[in-house]
Amino acid sequence: QQPVQSPQAVILREGEDAVINCSSSKALYSVHWYRQKHGEAPVFLMILLKGGEQKGHDKISASFNEKKQQSSLYLTASQLSYSGTYFCGTETNNDYKLSFGAGTTVTVRA
Amino acid sequence: NAGVTQTPKFRILKIGQSMTLQCTQDMNHNYMYWYRQDPGMGLKLIYYSVGAGITDKGEVPNGYNVSRSTTEDFPLRLELAAPSQTSVYFCASSYSGGVDSYNSPLHFGNGTRLTVT
Repeated sequence: QQPVQSPQAVILREGEDAVINCSSSKALYSVHWYRQKHGEAPVFLMILLKGGEQKGHDKISASFNEKKQQSSLYLTASQLSYSGTYFCGTETNNDYKLSFGAGTTVTVRA
Repeated sequence: NAGVTQTPKFRILKIGQSMTLQCTQDMNHNYMYWYRQDPGMGLKLIYYSVGAGITDKGEVPNGYNVSRSTTEDFPLRLELAAPSQTSVYFCASSYSGGVDSYNSPLHFGNGTRLTVT
C-alpha cells in the first residue's frame, strides 16, 4: 500500500524552510527519500530505519516516528537547487519492496 | 562506472505489439526492480528480484513479465501492448534490502519513455 505524502506542492523563496510528510497505514521497517528533477531519474537522499536516529544531508534532514508510522523531510534555508519532486518510499515487513508516495513538488524561487 | 543502463530511451508501440525493455547494472547488486511512473504521479512497483533466478510481483504486474538469468540483467517484457501501458519505466538496483537497508539506496537508470497508440 502506497504511503501518503503532504503537501502535494510547495513554493518557497530562497532561504525559507519547508517540511514534507510521509504517512503509512502499515508499520514501517524503513523509509527512503528521493528527489527527482524534471525529465530525470530519482536520486537518493537518505534512508531511515526504524529505531534509527534523525538523518541529515547538508541542510536537508529527516526524522522517522515509528509510533505514528510517519516520516518528515526538512528543507532548511532552501536553495534554488532544492527544486524538484520529492518522493518517500516505504518498506514494510522487511520485504525488500519499496512503495512510493505520489510526490511533493518543491519550487524554490530567487 | 555505468551504473544502471536502460535501453531504449524512447519507444512508440502500436496496440498489441510486444517489446522487451532492457536493464543492466555493473555494480554487482543483488536486488533489481522495475517501476513505472505515469505523468505527475509517483512510482509503482511492477516486478522485483532479489537475486538471479528469483523474481516476484509488485503492485502492478499485470501485462508484464520478467526474468533474471544473471545478476547483471533484468529485462521487462510487454506481451500485448495496451494504451494503459504508456508510461516512463525505471529500472533500479540496490546492494541489498531488508536488514541491511542502511546500505541499500536504490540506484535508478535514466528511464524508458514508452508510448502505446
